Amino acid sequence: GDSVTQMEGPVTLSEEAFLTINCTYTATGYPSLFWYVQYPGEGLQLLLKATKADDKGSNKGFEATYRKETTSFHLEKGSVQVSDSAVYFCALRVTGGGNKLTFGTGTQLKVEL
Amino acid sequence: GAVVSQHPSWVICKSGTSVKIECRSLDFQATTMFWYRQFPKQSLMLMATSNEGSKATYEQGVEKDKFLINHASLTLSTLTVTSAHPEDSSFYICSARKTSGINEQFFGPGTRLTVL
Repeated sequence: GDSVTQMEGPVTLSEEAFLTINCTYTATGYPSLFWYVQYPGEGLQLLLKATKADDKGSNKGFEATYRKETTSFHLEKGSVQVSDSAVYFCALRVTGGGNKLTFGTGTQLKVEL
Repeated sequence: GAVVSQHPSWVICKSGTSVKIECRSLDFQATTMFWYRQFPKQSLMLMATSNEGSKATYEQGVEKDKFLINHASLTLSTLTVTSAHPEDSSFYICSARKTSGINEQFFGPGTRLTVL
């Protein structure tokens, strides 16, 4: 079946550090890939997405590139801020799968001054 | 726009009682809503897909008689955990997809259920 694996947290970084959160997937079919962010006390919000190989999703300084050859969709940001502290979820959706999302376990990011 | 609320945000109940959780789309209509369950340090697991005016579609392994879903309007879906037991304690999250427009799910903040 479809699955998403992402690195365990928490990840603790200093402000302005470089961020990478790894995400790999297995899927039957050709998935769309997503990163969601959950701030404390709030619902998941779509951060960025990519729908085909080599697409790069980007938003708020975050980027992720759809790598079909390595089945990966790693999240990166060049300079994190304290306000980026949240839980990040990688997810996939297979075409024709009834709009079902398959999530990774989430990675908590803590950014300190 | 695209705000989804859940009520209550947390609930504690005794074993054997039933608990109802509401999911509302506040500023859009949602033909389809989804219910997820999340255990600590685990991913969100889809429990069921709720369609307005029709029966919900449950994922394999989810007991439909235990987790009753009612999607009676385009802005409200409810999940009732019947005869709750401690193993039902979890974080329940709903999402809603707009009736028209982009194919994206908008998530509620979740409901923490603790069964004593």
